[in-house]
Amino acid sequence: ETGVTQSPTHLIKTRGQQVTLRCSSQSGHNTVSWYQQALGQGPQFIFQYYREEENGRGNFPPRFSGLQFPNYSSELNVNALELDDSALYLCASSLGVSSGANVLTFGAGSRLTVL
Amino acid sequence: GQSLEQPSEVTAVEGAIVQINCTYQTSGFYGLSWYQQHDGGAPTFLSYNGLDGLEETGRFSSFLSRSDSYGYLLLQELQMKDSASYFCAVKKDTGRRALTFGSGTRLQVQP
Repeated sequence: ETGVTQSPTHLIKTRGQQVTLRCSSQSGHNTVSWYQQALGQGPQFIFQYYREEENGRGNFPPRFSGLQFPNYSSELNVNALELDDSALYLCASSLGVSSGANVLTFGAGSRLTVL
Repeated sequence: GQSLEQPSEVTAVEGAIVQINCTYQTSGFYGLSWYQQHDGGAPTFLSYNGLDGLEETGRFSSFLSRSDSYGYLLLQELQMKDSASYFCAVKKDTGRRALTFGSGTRLQVQP
């Protein structure tokens, strides 16, 4: 069984640019969540996708947007990059959205540096 | 508002037992999870408490007291490979998988 894979692993952008990060969920998982992790901090929830629709959003501005595809893979897009967007972006997949142990399977992340 | 408090750093020696505490204040609560993250790695699931009491998984145990808004992760027979950051995380909504994470506790295991 494959885990969660993310690409690219590292990238550098400048302020004002746009970035797209990609995630392939674990086999059999139909829900994808994205988290932002600043250095030395815990992951912060950005949004979640279930059945190709956004199913919850954290405290992030609209310039953070996403997509989920029929094969459950996902993209995170960030427009008008700001210096504070520099962080590790984590994708997590899971099965369903109902109650339960809420086990998330995380990818190793995409480290974004904004200069 | 919502917050999770956990110690920023803990140091222990190989073979010892360490307890990492987590207190939380959130507007909704369904359960408390624990994740481990090695430097440069992905967070990995360790344990979940949906009900009060102790859950044991090998060398790791986790405890929850809903009335005290408190939980802890207990690591026994510490090994060098246990050096990592440990995060408590609250599940607030049964309809979503979103978790609210604490800032993490960096555990350093010394020989």
